[in-house]
Amino acid sequence: NAGVTQTPKFRILKIGQSMTLQCTQDMNHNYMYWYRQDPGMGLKLIYYSVGAGITDKGEVPNGYNVSRSTTEDFPLRLELAAPSQTSVYFCASSYPYGIGYTFGSGTRLTVV
Amino acid sequence: GQQVMQIPQYQHVQEGEDFTTYCNSSTTLSNIQWYKQRPGGHPVFLIQLVKSGEVKKQKRLTFQFGEAKKNSSLHITATQTTDVGTYFCAGLNTGNQFYFGTGTSLTVIP
Repeated sequence: NAGVTQTPKFRILKIGQSMTLQCTQDMNHNYMYWYRQDPGMGLKLIYYSVGAGITDKGEVPNGYNVSRSTTEDFPLRLELAAPSQTSVYFCASSYPYGIGYTFGSGTRLTVV
Repeated sequence: GQQVMQIPQYQHVQEGEDFTTYCNSSTTLSNIQWYKQRPGGHPVFLIQLVKSGEVKKQKRLTFQFGEAKKNSSLHITATQTTDVGTYFCAGLNTGNQFYFGTGTSLTVIP
C-alpha cells in the first residue's frame, strides 16, 4: 500500500519555466489537497478537491493550477515559475472529514 | 479569515522535561487534528479531537480540546530525543479543509 506518492522529490526550475508536480493516491480517498511549506513555517493550502472533476482554491492559489480527472491523481501545475514559489510542496488525501490527512513525502522546489 | 495560531514557535527542553504547545483559533472549530513532522519529513497524523472538553492520551502525549472549541493543547510528559520535530495543529471550521497552525518546533537536549 503506497499511500500518497509525489514526484519528483527535488526540482530546480529557472524563472519563467513551467512544470507539473504529480500526486497519486491509492486509498480511494475523495478529498485531495496541495500545500506549500516555506522554511520554518506552517502549511498553506494552495488548492483542494472533493472529488473527480471538482477543484477549489485554498489560501494561496495564485501562480498555480490543478485538475482532478480521476480519484487517484491530483497534479499541480506551475506556470511561469517565480522565486517566490521556492518551497516544499506536499500533497495530501483524506476521506471527507476523515481521520487525518495522509501526506506524501513532498517535492522540494527551487526557482532560480 | 480563518486563523490558527500556535505558541510557542520554538521550545528547547532537557530530555526528561515536559513540553506543551498551545493552539488557538479565531473561530469555533468543529474538530481539531494534531500532526508531527520530523526534520526533513512530512506531517504525520497523530490524533483528532471532536468533542468540547475532550481529552485523549497516547502514551506520554495528552491532547485536549477546549470547552469553547476554540483552543487545544498537546502535552508531552518526560520528553525523549525521539520527540524532536515540529508539532502542528489543524482546525476544521464549517468549510471542507483544515487550516494548519504555525507549528511548534521542539528540540530535546540529551
